[in-house]
Amino acid sequence: SAVISQKPSRDICQRGTSLTIQCQVDSQVTMMFWYRQQPGQSLTLIATANQGSEATYESGFVIDKFPISRPNLTFSTLTVSNMSPEDSSIYLCSVAPQGLYNEQFFGPGTRLTVL
Amino acid sequence: LAKTTQPISMDSYEGQEVNITCSHNNIATNDYITWYQQFPSQGPRFIIQGYKTKVTNEVASLFIPADRKSSTLSLPRVSLSDTAVYYCLVGAFNAGNNRKLIWGLGTSLAVNP
Repeated sequence: SAVISQKPSRDICQRGTSLTIQCQVDSQVTMMFWYRQQPGQSLTLIATANQGSEATYESGFVIDKFPISRPNLTFSTLTVSNMSPEDSSIYLCSVAPQGLYNEQFFGPGTRLTVL
Repeated sequence: LAKTTQPISMDSYEGQEVNITCSHNNIATNDYITWYQQFPSQGPRFIIQGYKTKVTNEVASLFIPADRKSSTLSLPRVSLSDTAVYYCLVGAFNAGNNRKLIWGLGTSLAVNP
């Protein structure tokens, strides 16, 4: 298993600013994922962040808007850039320690509100 | 890529068995089927995973027919604390180690006293 923490837990930001969300894992894991979840909705994968390689973004998400860093096997950041109210959502990071299987462990999420 | 369909909501009572079915008609050969539980203001939590037939762990059972086009999560004797949203997930790593994840819309289960 893996224990994941995220910072901040929530934030209220102004339009046009950027916010960096941190994800810390208590063990070394290769595969880390960033998701977005609108209130009451399902999860949408933003990108896969593997240590030592560039993040892989899903359709509809671009690096300029959501730059990701993965400096080591226990840490990652997701930045939401030039925010608009449409970016208001819950952002979650997860890890898949087993690699080849779908079992993921999720952080508690970061609730972002953009005014 | 497989698409999943599951009921939007279900109601049950304490002590009953709850079965939630997920349809995934276009599931790929290398896809596993995974179910997650999510409480408000928390990230999803893994419940169970299977490929075919039946899988059972300490909290649930997962039934997968031979054609694998659907799966049923069975929660025995639910309690109020099982009130949550349950997601059916189909996906796997491909040969290039790229992951494609497909989450259902979730089933909101309400367990009543």
